[in-house]
Amino acid sequence: AQSVTQPDIHITVSEGASLELRCNYSYGATPYLFWYVQSPGQGLQLLLKYFSGDTLVQGIKGFEAEFKRSQSSFNLRKPSVHWSDAAEYFCAVGASGNDMRFGAGTRLTVKP
Amino acid sequence: NAGVTQTPKFQVLKTGQSMTLQCAQDMNHNSMYWYRQDPGMGLRLIYYSASEGTTDKGEVPNGYNVSRLNKREFSLRLESAAPSQTSVYFCASSEGVGAYYNEQFFGPGTRLTVL
Repeated sequence: AQSVTQPDIHITVSEGASLELRCNYSYGATPYLFWYVQSPGQGLQLLLKYFSGDTLVQGIKGFEAEFKRSQSSFNLRKPSVHWSDAAEYFCAVGASGNDMRFGAGTRLTVKP
Repeated sequence: NAGVTQTPKFQVLKTGQSMTLQCAQDMNHNSMYWYRQDPGMGLRLIYYSASEGTTDKGEVPNGYNVSRLNKREFSLRLESAAPSQTSVYFCASSEGVGAYYNEQFFGPGTRLTVL
């Protein structure tokens, strides 16, 4: 079965600084890849997804992610972080049917 | 449009008690899902329903039962709660069949504590 690793449990960045959240997956073929965000006390919301084609994917709220097959990675980036971006971010990989695996999450703290 | 709603928001149970978590969606989605979220483990799929009248096991189904009452509602039942079931439970729905490529819409969650 596929699996997802988010190496960073917690990241702190200053407001206005750039952000990169790492995600590595394990799967034999090209998977379907997602990034979701969870604000405190809320459910998850989709930021972006990759199925095929252009390896740089644009999402909502100014986020983007790049699929790198050679590195089995799907890292999330934002050029300038806002205080409202403080949340928990989950990478997920789907393989088939309803088999969707989520990473353990990365909690983002934004310093003023 | 309320999206996905869940009740209750919080619940405390004693070991051995039973309860049902309710979920409803108003987006006319075909598929519905139940996940649990535990610290350091992300979300894990408990059960899903691809359509009204059908349900299937996910990654961690033991100790749970589900009912897809109609297209809108999908309930999760704990028959005899155990402390290991202390978790935050999320219901989700998607328009198409198959979580692996469809965007899922999540409810706000139910925080369950089993003493």
